[in-house]
Amino acid sequence: KAGVTQTPRYLIKTRGQQVTLSCSPISGHRSVSWYQQTPGQGLQFLFEYFSETQRNKGNFPGRFSGRQFSNSRSEMNVSTLELGDSALYLCASSPGTSGSEQYFGPGTRLTVT
Amino acid sequence: GENVEQHPSTLSVQEGDSAVIKCTYSDSASNYFPWYKQELGKGPQLIIDIRSNVGEKKDQRIAVTLNKTAKHFSLHITETQPEDSAVYFCAASRPNAGGTSYGKLTFGQGTILTVHP
Repeated sequence: KAGVTQTPRYLIKTRGQQVTLSCSPISGHRSVSWYQQTPGQGLQFLFEYFSETQRNKGNFPGRFSGRQFSNSRSEMNVSTLELGDSALYLCASSPGTSGSEQYFGPGTRLTVT
Repeated sequence: GENVEQHPSTLSVQEGDSAVIKCTYSDSASNYFPWYKQELGKGPQLIIDIRSNVGEKKDQRIAVTLNKTAKHFSLHITETQPEDSAVYFCAASRPNAGGTSYGKLTFGQGTILTVHP
């Protein structure tokens, strides 16, 4: 099976812009979670979706949002970008219904200038 | 919320030695504990996980132990090889409010493991 794919892999944006990142889960996986990884804060949970519904949410401001489509593909959006949003954004998919046993994609490296 | 502390932050061993990484967690409701290996330029890779109804789990050279009373769990790698060199993360998860999901993982800060040939 193909792994989790994320597009784009690299992105450079300017402060104040918005960005949309895409994630395609492993075939058959219905749960998708998103994480932000930075050197200072480590891996931090953003949100989790299952069957197009958000099941879990982390402690990020409302500028960070996501959604999931009926084919389980997911997108996350960040509006009004700040320099501190520069990070590796990771998507993970999970088989079954519990959301555990997460398999990560390679991430999207976002740089905000 | 949950807090996961991981030690040590760096670990250097000789090939063939054992390596042990330890994590403690704060939320007694957490009952799913995965370990991930992250190589440069890649996403984290799930290497082993354990649930709270099990005290130990082994998979070839890798084992994880869990002490729920003390709220700590450990990763043990035996017969280390240079290809084991990577950053290792522990994580913990509890059910969401609806009891339907363990999808929110709280990660430790990571351990950089270097295995010298």
